[in-house]
Amino acid sequence: NAGVMQNPRHLVRRRGQEARLRCSPMKGHSHVYWYRQLPEEGLKFMVYLQKENIIDESGMPKERFSAEFPKEGPSILRIQQVVRGDSAAYFCASSINSGSNEQYFGPGTRLTVT
Amino acid sequence: AQSVTQLGSHVSVSEGALVLLRCNYSSSVPPYLFWYVQYPNQGLQLLLKYTSAATLVKGINGFEAEFKKSETSFHLTKPSAHMSDAAEYFCAVSEGVGGSNYKLTFGKGTLLTVNP
Repeated sequence: NAGVMQNPRHLVRRRGQEARLRCSPMKGHSHVYWYRQLPEEGLKFMVYLQKENIIDESGMPKERFSAEFPKEGPSILRIQQVVRGDSAAYFCASSINSGSNEQYFGPGTRLTVT
Repeated sequence: AQSVTQLGSHVSVSEGALVLLRCNYSSSVPPYLFWYVQYPNQGLQLLLKYTSAATLVKGINGFEAEFKKSETSFHLTKPSAHMSDAAEYFCAVSEGVGGSNYKLTFGKGTLLTVNP
């Protein structure tokens, strides 16, 4: 049973480019959560999505960041016009139940902005 | 608002020695508490969780943690360290029943090294 998959594992972007991070939840899970880990910090909640719905985006920066979880395909975290401060590890988690703290995490995507 | 403090960003023990990783939390509501482990290049794996039942929680790989409300602590212990325990450990808190209990708040992590 495959776990949570994230790709790419490492992503390098120049300032001003767009970054797209993908997350495929565990089989049977329809709830996805994104967290960001800045250097020397703990993981911080960004957004909670169900299929085709954003449930809670209270942790998302107001500009340049967006997330979606379409009916088909992976969840996407999109960062437009990246800046050096966006360099971080981005983790995706999924759960089988609605709004659950029993979350299964992927290996993360390390984004580096040059 | 909730927060988690992990004392010691790096803990080093000898194989066979006691492992003690410290975690203190603050929460305005009764919390749920978690310990996760992350091995290199892998995702976070749940070790154990406290959800207001028994205060002493047993997890995988011989780890356990005790919830102490008076001390607002949830320290992780293992009686005898094994080389395979070397990893980074994260303590996390969420709101309990009701509210946004899916929103985990993490500490900065403690890197555990085990010396032969």
